[in-house]
Amino acid sequence: DAGVTQSPTHLIKTRGQQVTLRCSPISGHKSVSWYQQVLGQGPQFIFQYYEKEERGRGNFPDRFSARQFPNYSSELNVNALLLGDSALYLCASSLGGYTGELFFGEGSRLTVL
Amino acid sequence: GESVGLHLPTLSVQEGDNSIINCAYSNSASDYFIWYKQESGKGPQFIIDIRSNMDKRQGQRVTVLLNKTVKHLSLQIAATQPGDSAVYFCAENTGGGNKLTFGTGTQLKVEL
Repeated sequence: DAGVTQSPTHLIKTRGQQVTLRCSPISGHKSVSWYQQVLGQGPQFIFQYYEKEERGRGNFPDRFSARQFPNYSSELNVNALLLGDSALYLCASSLGGYTGELFFGEGSRLTVL
Repeated sequence: GESVGLHLPTLSVQEGDNSIINCAYSNSASDYFIWYKQESGKGPQFIIDIRSNMDKRQGQRVTVLLNKTVKHLSLQIAATQPGDSAVYFCAENTGGGNKLTFGTGTQLKVEL
């Protein structure tokens, strides 16, 4: 079975631009979460979506937004990119509910110049 | 406030030895902890979890110990293998759902 897939794997943007990252969860998983991982640090929670509704939001500015589609795939959008947004963006899926067992994709590496 | 941190940034062990990775947390109300392994260029991979109603939980070659008195947990890896080389994160489910708070990570290096 396919795991969590993310696209693109790498991308380079300049300050002020906008980016959209995409995620397809494991088949049957209804929950998608997004995490930001800065080099040398642990992942930091951005959003969780379950059944197309936002179930949690981390301490990120409004420039960050996300949505989940009827097929449970998800997009993360970041507007007005800053240099500090350079990071690995990880998507994770789960069956939902109160669990720590998340299945992560390999991430989208964003570089902002 | 909530925090999950690790004692050592790097741990080197000989192949075949046991590894112990430690983690401290600050919120005494925390009740659900998880260990993840992240290999270079990959996303984190779930290893094992433990809830606060348990002191110990075992998996395949791994054991997690939780000491609520001193707010400390550890991951023990038996007979460490080269494939165990990775960064290990302890995490805490802090918001219900799938909101995890990760520590900084410990780099485990297995020497042949």
